[in-house]
Amino acid sequence: NAGVTQTPKFQVLKTGQSMTLQCAQDMNHNSMYWYRQDPGMGLRLIYYSASEGTTDKGEVPNGYNVSRLNKREFSLRLESAAPSQTSVYFCASRLQGFGTDTQYFGPGTRLTVL
Amino acid sequence: DAKTTQPNSMESNEEEPVHLPCNHSTISGTDYIHWYRQLPSQGPEYVIHGLTSNVNNRMASLAIAEDRKSSTLILHRATLRDAAVYYCIHSEGAQKLVFGQGTRLTINP
Repeated sequence: NAGVTQTPKFQVLKTGQSMTLQCAQDMNHNSMYWYRQDPGMGLRLIYYSASEGTTDKGEVPNGYNVSRLNKREFSLRLESAAPSQTSVYFCASRLQGFGTDTQYFGPGTRLTVL
Repeated sequence: DAKTTQPNSMESNEEEPVHLPCNHSTISGTDYIHWYRQLPSQGPEYVIHGLTSNVNNRMASLAIAEDRKSSTLILHRATLRDAAVYYCIHSEGAQKLVFGQGTRLTINP
């Protein structure tokens, strides 16, 4: 049981390049989330998916797109990277029900845009 | 926007109790209060959550004020491994958790 996995762990991009951050969970959770964390700050929600086939914007969606490929996978795409997108990106899945409400986070992707 | 207020930093000694306060004056009647913590270079991990009454689990206790405008996370006997940033969060709608800047907890040996 791997929990939430993210690839890659580190990435350096040049301004204008594109890339996709991958996230997968093996806990059969319906909801998945993408956050970014800038140095010394808390996490900010980029996009979320309440269930397979649905996605919604969070607090800071500009410059990003997402795909909920199936129940397991939720990817985040940067179409044209900018230095302001330098951050650590965390994916999470959420278990809700019967008094439980817990988000499980992946280890993060550290992205630098030059 | 859902907003919580926490001290930027706190310090405690190993094997002593720690009380981490949080104000959430804008909380609505159905919003849960969640606490997560983030160890260095890791993703956040769940600590505890509650709605109205006090909650206990193996990691911590959560004391919620009667008016629900504040809460306190209690670590009963801090260890060095409890040094982390602790986030107090309440939900915004059914799906969103809005993280603040958290409290950086330092544990002295």
